Amino acid sequence: QVQLQESGPGLVKPSETLSLTCSVSSDSMNYYYWTWIRQPAGKRLEWIGRVYSSGSTNYNPSFKSRVTMSVDTSKNQFSLKLSSVTAADTALYHCAREDCGGDCQSGHWYVDLWGRGTLVTVSS
Amino acid sequence: DIQMTQSPSTLSASVGDTVTITCRASQSLSRWLAWYQQKPGKAPKLLVSKTSNLESGVPSRFSGSGSGTEFTLTISSLQPDDFAIYFCQEYNTYYPTFGQGTKLEIK
Repeated sequence: QVQLQESGPGLVKPSETLSLTCSVSSDSMNYYYWTWIRQPAGKRLEWIGRVYSSGSTNYNPSFKSRVTMSVDTSKNQFSLKLSSVTAADTALYHCAREDCGGDCQSGHWYVDLWGRGTLVTVSS
Repeated sequence: DIQMTQSPSTLSASVGDTVTITCRASQSLSRWLAWYQQKPGKAPKLLVSKTSNLESGVPSRFSGSGSGTEFTLTISSLQPDDFAIYFCQEYNTYYPTFGQGTKLEIK
């Protein structure tokens, strides 16, 4: 069974860049989107963006100017960088996989697999 | 953005009960809605995709229905393992949004 595991610093200083990596326990990352989602304490989940196995990306407009995602299929990993962080970026960050349910032509992708999440705190 | 309003926020029920959780969308989703279960310290688990497609391995006491802007997740004959947080996700647009979650607790 495929598993996802987030890793990265748990504490980031304000104005710096948050960097997380997700390791995928699978032989292939092809044909899926790889996604980051976060949940600030007491708030709803927030979709940050996705990266395809080819490297193409979609980002939530709320983050677009600060976010960069990349994928390294040779290492079965994908990454998130979020720049200029503030306390508002403190959250539990999940990596996830998106599938099209066999209907990729429709352009609709849902999260079918999640990592447990890693807590990132932004504080000096 | 599509706004998802999930209700109730908290639901108290007993083993054996049948419960229903509702998600309402600010615009039509067709049938592009998924439901998840989350337990403390664990990864969320996909239960239902495309409104009513039950994921492999998910017990048949879980069912989803709806279309357009109103969707429901029904859990029949509640089991002890079902007490958890449930949330919906719309994926009608290129970036999805989530309901705020429903905590299903033991009465």
